[in-house]
Amino acid sequence: QVQLVQSGAEVKKPGASVRISCKASGYTFTSYYIHWVRQAPGQGLQWMGTVYPNLHAAKYAQKFQGRVTMAPDTATSTVYMELSGLTSEDTAVYYCARELHGGTFDFWGQGTLVTVSS
Amino acid sequence: QTVVTQEPSLTVSPGGTVTLTCASSTGAVTSDYYPNWFQQRPGQPPRALIYNTNNKHSWTPARFSGSLLGGKAALTLSGVQPEDEADYYCLLYFGGDTWVFGGGTKLTVL
Repeated sequence: QVQLVQSGAEVKKPGASVRISCKASGYTFTSYYIHWVRQAPGQGLQWMGTVYPNLHAAKYAQKFQGRVTMAPDTATSTVYMELSGLTSEDTAVYYCARELHGGTFDFWGQGTLVTVSS
Repeated sequence: QTVVTQEPSLTVSPGGTVTLTCASSTGAVTSDYYPNWFQQRPGQPPRALIYNTNNKHSWTPARFSGSLLGGKAALTLSGVQPEDEADYYCLLYFGGDTWVFGGGTKLTVL
């Protein structure tokens, strides 16, 4: 069965970076996009960007340009998302989600809570 | 900056019908925006309901349907159940592999 399993919760200080993983299983890893979405406490969903493992190509929302990197590891069917220059506004639950190119979103990871606090 | 707008909140009675909408600041939403709809209950990750305007996943209850309505994407719940109380989000495609979520609709079943 399809699963996206994310790494555990993180606590970071302002200015630090965080790297979250999303390990895929149960399907052909290189055939689907992986998107990253975050949700601040009590807020809505925010699209951060996407990576296509087959091409090692990524696209980021303008808001995160220069601060985010999404990269696949095809050997382990894992996608990593690194966010740098953390501030308290980056405190959120971060999700990965799968998309079959052409707009079909289906499975989501369980979420990773990132807390930024001094 | 592109904005996707949803009703902040809606209330529906059990067994009733409700339509949630999703509008784009760029103009009318068409199938080229590949509208997706997600349900999120408290403390849970989002769950995909509808993709590409009106396609259901195998797990999507039959009472959920997607469409285009008056230049917006729409999600209609017919015969609402108490367990449908949740937040609902739409997601639209804006080209160049970029997507934007709506602000979400909090649906209350009362």
